[in-house]
Amino acid sequence: DTEVTQTPKHLVMGMTNKKSLKCEQHMGHRAMYWYKQKAKKPPELMFVYSYEKLSINESVPSRFSPECPNSSLLNLHLHALQPEDSALYLCASSQDLGIGGVGGYTFGSGTRLTVV
Amino acid sequence: TQLLEQSPQFLSIQEGENLTVYCNSSSVFSSLQWYRQEPGEGPVLLVTVVTGGEVKKLKRLTFQFGDARKDSSLHITAAQPGDTGLYLCAGAKDSSYKLIFGSGTRLLVRP
Repeated sequence: DTEVTQTPKHLVMGMTNKKSLKCEQHMGHRAMYWYKQKAKKPPELMFVYSYEKLSINESVPSRFSPECPNSSLLNLHLHALQPEDSALYLCASSQDLGIGGVGGYTFGSGTRLTVV
Repeated sequence: TQLLEQSPQFLSIQEGENLTVYCNSSSVFSSLQWYRQEPGEGPVLLVTVVTGGEVKKLKRLTFQFGDARKDSSLHITAAQPGDTGLYLCAGAKDSSYKLIFGSGTRLLVRP
């Protein structure tokens, strides 16, 4: 299995809702990442997990709450989001931290989130 | 301020033409990667370059890492409509665990 699977593919939520994005990989990668991508912009790093522990939080607002239940799963819990949080949320994994080795990062297809 | 600047930002060319995309920085990177992203999908790794001056070829794509490891280029020969997408360079510094993406180049190859 050489994929990163993200669910759901699309999500529409109100500003008072609570929802979660899920990410799963079975490649034995020890680093997992959440990125946010606005239209026609490059991905922006949000969180980095290494060996199931949070390594980097890029000053992300607390309405985004990451969780790594085990080495294969990464969640992003969403609460009280704003319309400007609408974006494509990408999960990625890599064998190692940093550039991820020669194999680089493997990205999921993303969850397109719309906050109304 | 974008740490990795790509140029051009957008390129529309006819099938069969050649093109070059540039990725520049004032910082030194331990290695650089190039990704291609299609609409509605995540980025897909094309190549990793680690040695200053290194040149790698992937079919019609040629990647070069600058001697000083501050810049990189991607050259596509005889572009095809299937090459259409967002091209992203990305780099990490030795002391950082963060993969930083460039500003992106959006390529459209017209049939």
